[in-house]
Amino acid sequence: GESVGLHLPTLSVQEGDNSIINCAYSNSASDYFIWYKQESGKGPQFIIDIRSNMDKRQGQRVTVLLNKTVKHLSLQIAATQPGDSAVYFCAENAGGTSYGKLTFGQGTILTVHP
Amino acid sequence: ETGVTQTPRHLVMGMTNKKSLKCEQHLGHNAMYWYKQSAKKPLELMFVYNFKEQTENNSVPSRFSPECPNSSHLFLHLHTLQPEDSALYLCASSQEGQSLSKQYFGPGTRLTVT
Repeated sequence: GESVGLHLPTLSVQEGDNSIINCAYSNSASDYFIWYKQESGKGPQFIIDIRSNMDKRQGQRVTVLLNKTVKHLSLQIAATQPGDSAVYFCAENAGGTSYGKLTFGQGTILTVHP
Repeated sequence: ETGVTQTPRHLVMGMTNKKSLKCEQHLGHNAMYWYKQSAKKPLELMFVYNFKEQTENNSVPSRFSPECPNSSHLFLHLHTLQPEDSALYLCASSQEGQSLSKQYFGPGTRLTVT
């Protein structure tokens, strides 16, 4: 069946470096993608989203890139800080009758070393 | 968090017990969700309520019974659970009219079934 998956389960970076977290999706009907951050003991926190009619979207220190040709999504975090250490999830929505139903990936653990 | 709250935060119950999880959203949203988060598994959608009506039951066993008395409150009634039901149960809400898929999560209830 269709699924959302992550290339790398863990990522370790030094404070100040840029981080890139990748996500592959297989449902070509997906038209909306979202990144969440989950810290230990907390629920997922919305970071940024992007619709399929866009290739790039920027937020504060974060950028999401969407490559529909290869069904790939990435989250870039600039000047990574220790507070960015968390699990990052991508999720997709296929729209239509799936409106409101998010399919989540496994998650990538980001560790930022001071 | 004041957006979406969940109580209790932790719950230990025996297999013959009956308990309920509560979720309240203070965001004025009209759609609410229950998710299950198990170790090493992606978030699994359990139930969706839209304008207090259940629009999705993702093949969840009948030992989990949701209730949505109004658009701000969501309950998950539990009875005769199994040890494999131990997980983090997350509630989320979203607003139809905006991106229905942009969901805001509560902190979760950590459930342990003994």
